[in-house]
Amino acid sequence: GAGVSQTPSNKVTEKGKYVELRCDPISGHTALYWYRQSLGQGPEFLIYFQGTGAADDSGLPNDRFFAVRPEGSVSTLKIQRTERGDSAVYLCASSLTPAETQYFGPGTRLLVL
Amino acid sequence: KQEVTQIPAALSVPEGENLVLNCSFTDSAIYNLQWFRQDPGKGLTSLLLIQSSQREQTSGRLNASLDKSSGRSTLYIAASQPGDSATYLCAVGFMDSNYQLIWGAGTKLIIKP
Repeated sequence: GAGVSQTPSNKVTEKGKYVELRCDPISGHTALYWYRQSLGQGPEFLIYFQGTGAADDSGLPNDRFFAVRPEGSVSTLKIQRTERGDSAVYLCASSLTPAETQYFGPGTRLLVL
Repeated sequence: KQEVTQIPAALSVPEGENLVLNCSFTDSAIYNLQWFRQDPGKGLTSLLLIQSSQREQTSGRLNASLDKSSGRSTLYIAASQPGDSATYLCAVGFMDSNYQLIWGAGTKLIIKP
């Protein structure tokens, strides 16, 4: 179907709050990735799903970050007790299979005040 | 630690010139390399994907080469246009990185009319 979509496009929250970021991958893509990008830098890997399971979550910075993909399609990245340092653009990508081209969504711009 | 480096960080050239962007990586055991384009405030657009068994890929005015032994890739843009102005990012899939991409910081390209 259409490309990768992410909601919301922008999120402003206060320090200490909980946020959820959603990613809708391209239909049929089994692999889904979350990255985080700070200003002037390349994206930084957070977590990779193959189907419903997290195949690699080594990039999650701490236990405040958690992601799920319960039905092997839509994924939600959850951040508890947000901190100002969490402010960044959160990017989601999907690929048909691992090692194939990753297609990116437009990102969610998170600002923690 | 696997790293990806892009030089220069910024480049400004007159319209019509041919130009080369550079990407270097620290480990030759890769399964693919991708070049992306990112416009200000936007997501990432995949330009070219080179599998580890390939030496180059072409799409229109773009040509990407890969030399695993020296840990280098170049993105060649022919007959540059103002619409090519963007940040170009190189992302490498290392064999032991479980399909996550390791990213360079990007080259910000400005094509002057």
